[in-house]
Amino acid sequence: SQKIEQNSEALNIQEGKTATLTCNYTNYSPAYLQWYRQDPGRGPVFLLLIRENEKEKRKERLKVTFDTTLKQSLFHITASQPADSATYLCALDNSSGGSYIPTFGRGTSLIVHP
Amino acid sequence: EPEVTQTPSHQVTQMGQEVILRCVPISNHLYFYWYRQILGQKVEFLVSFYNNEISEKSEIFDDQFSVERPDGSNFTLKIRSTKLEDSAMYFCASNGDSSTDTQYFGPGTRLTVL
Repeated sequence: SQKIEQNSEALNIQEGKTATLTCNYTNYSPAYLQWYRQDPGRGPVFLLLIRENEKEKRKERLKVTFDTTLKQSLFHITASQPADSATYLCALDNSSGGSYIPTFGRGTSLIVHP
Repeated sequence: EPEVTQTPSHQVTQMGQEVILRCVPISNHLYFYWYRQILGQKVEFLVSFYNNEISEKSEIFDDQFSVERPDGSNFTLKIRSTKLEDSAMYFCASNGDSSTDTQYFGPGTRLTVL
């Protein structure tokens, strides 16, 4: 069966450190992988998209890697700040050639301590 | 910056009642989506809508659910006869001129079925 696995335990780090979140998947061949941020009681906010032929993508303090052999994506936040505290969701393209349908992982909670 | 809006923010209803959740997608967007998130669970795709018809739907989106774009701005989700297990956050999302564009999520409607 298809699975998207993100660490269910919260990641606690000190301000200024790099946070690394993991997304592993099985039985998917996604053309895209996306990372979203979700704050409590709010909708997901898109952060980055990486395509299957890209190894790495950066945006300001964010970096995403995508290893289709390992079936894994890593999401890094450098110089983390307390305002980065949120739940981070990865989402895979699960379309069958029609509309893009993202399938979400359960997310990992990040807590950045001042 | 344009954003997706949803009303109401919280809807309480009795089991068996019909509810309509409303969304105003970003004005020049062409693809519209509904998702739900049961408390503590992952975001789940319900349905996508393009060119005035459903383009994809999940197993969750059974005969009790329907969507409509009654005019040029609103996009609605109707649940005909609510069940206790329909209690969740419902998110509307939209994206631009390609189904693979970034999706922009609304703030959600919390549906509580008693």
